[in-house]
Amino acid sequence: GENVEQHPSTLSVQEGDSAVIKCTYSDSASNYFPWYKQELGKRPQLIIDIRSNVGEKKDQRIAVTLNKTAKHFSLHITETQPEDSAVYFCAAHGDSGGYQKVTFGTGTKLQVIP
Amino acid sequence: DGGITQSPKYLFRKEGQNVTLSCEQNLNHDAMYWYRQDPGQGLRLIYYSQIVNDFQKGDIAEGYSVSREKKESFPLTVTSAQKNPTAFYLCATQKGGDAETQYFGPGTRLLVL
Repeated sequence: GENVEQHPSTLSVQEGDSAVIKCTYSDSASNYFPWYKQELGKRPQLIIDIRSNVGEKKDQRIAVTLNKTAKHFSLHITETQPEDSAVYFCAAHGDSGGYQKVTFGTGTKLQVIP
Repeated sequence: DGGITQSPKYLFRKEGQNVTLSCEQNLNHDAMYWYRQDPGQGLRLIYYSQIVNDFQKGDIAEGYSVSREKKESFPLTVTSAQKNPTAFYLCATQKGGDAETQYFGPGTRLLVL
């Protein structure tokens, strides 16, 4: 089955700096890669996603890049703000015997220091 | 996200007791999922269902059971066989088809008395 590894597990940056979180996946058939932000005690919320036919996608301060050959994708947050502090999860969607199965990374706790 | 409800928000289980967590959606999504999240950890898949009356075991199905009698509902029962049930349980839905986003409910926190 699919295996998703996420690094780093914790990340501290100064306000205004950039943050980068990286994920690797094992199943070359995976075709959709969302990123979620989860605040303490809350549900994960989608912040950006990318499909396998695209190499990069940007939404204001957030961008995601995908390298299908190397099987890794990254989340980039620029001009970080204190409200960006949260846990971020990557995920990979793939087919599992005709069913859509999602495998999540273990999460990155991002702390933005004012 | 507002179209997915989970109840209760907090649930207390006594030893040997079965408890059922509710998940309801009005998004008309075909697929529904149950995840378990332990403190400081990622999401682990318990069960998922792509259509009514059909469901599949995820990675940690032991000690859990589900049913999918209606498209809108996917309840999860935590049985007494689950020896360490304390966790945050998240229900998610997904429109049918390939490469679609999952949306999460607000979660149920289960605690053992």
